[in-house]
Amino acid sequence: IAGITQAPTSQILAAGRRMTLRCTQDMRHNAMYWYRQDLGLGLRLIHYSNTAGTTGKGEVPDGYSVSRANTDDFPLTLASAVPSQTSVYFCASRGQGGLGYTFGSGTRLTVV
Amino acid sequence: AQSVTQPDIHITVSEGASLELRCNYSYGATPYLFWYVQSPGQGLQLLLKYFSGDTLVQGIKGFEAEFKRSQSSFNLRKPSVHWSDAAEYFCAVGYSGNTPLVFGKGTRLSVIA
Repeated sequence: IAGITQAPTSQILAAGRRMTLRCTQDMRHNAMYWYRQDLGLGLRLIHYSNTAGTTGKGEVPDGYSVSRANTDDFPLTLASAVPSQTSVYFCASRGQGGLGYTFGSGTRLTVV
Repeated sequence: AQSVTQPDIHITVSEGASLELRCNYSYGATPYLFWYVQSPGQGLQLLLKYFSGDTLVQGIKGFEAEFKRSQSSFNLRKPSVHWSDAAEYFCAVGYSGNTPLVFGKGTRLSVIA
């Protein structure tokens, strides 16, 4: 089934640890995005990639990094997790023509 | 900078009543407009979108939205709400090319019997 797969579904992480959230899509979409969702704040863009090999910073990029080695994968890395990074993380992709996003099911991350 | 405002944080309606969720955006160019719905613990699902043409657009699950350029609004409506419509609703705005979508903070809809 075409779509976006995020892993893990949920994770409890000790502060200071490194963590990579995985995102894979099979729709050959060029653009991919990482958002975090927090109560009362909606979805805020962390990083994005318009095409393989390029990335850009969103609204809240500090403490996060991304890479886009190929079209399908767009991992998000927390180099040294802090409690304020406790959130639900959504990966999304967009095809050509300005159509809406396809979202993954999210990763619920708790940093303790 | 572009922004999206959803003035209502939480709305409660009775089952069978009509619904209108408000969305206003701030930007100079002609936007692409979207409404997404998120059920508890789930990802976001696209309800409907507006790119151009007829300003009244129909979506899934009986929802519709009207683009009003003069008011910079894209309000979501449903004539008769069902209990299963209880969810979080997000308005989003985007533009041509690869500009990332900007989302509103969401409106939580509760449906009572």
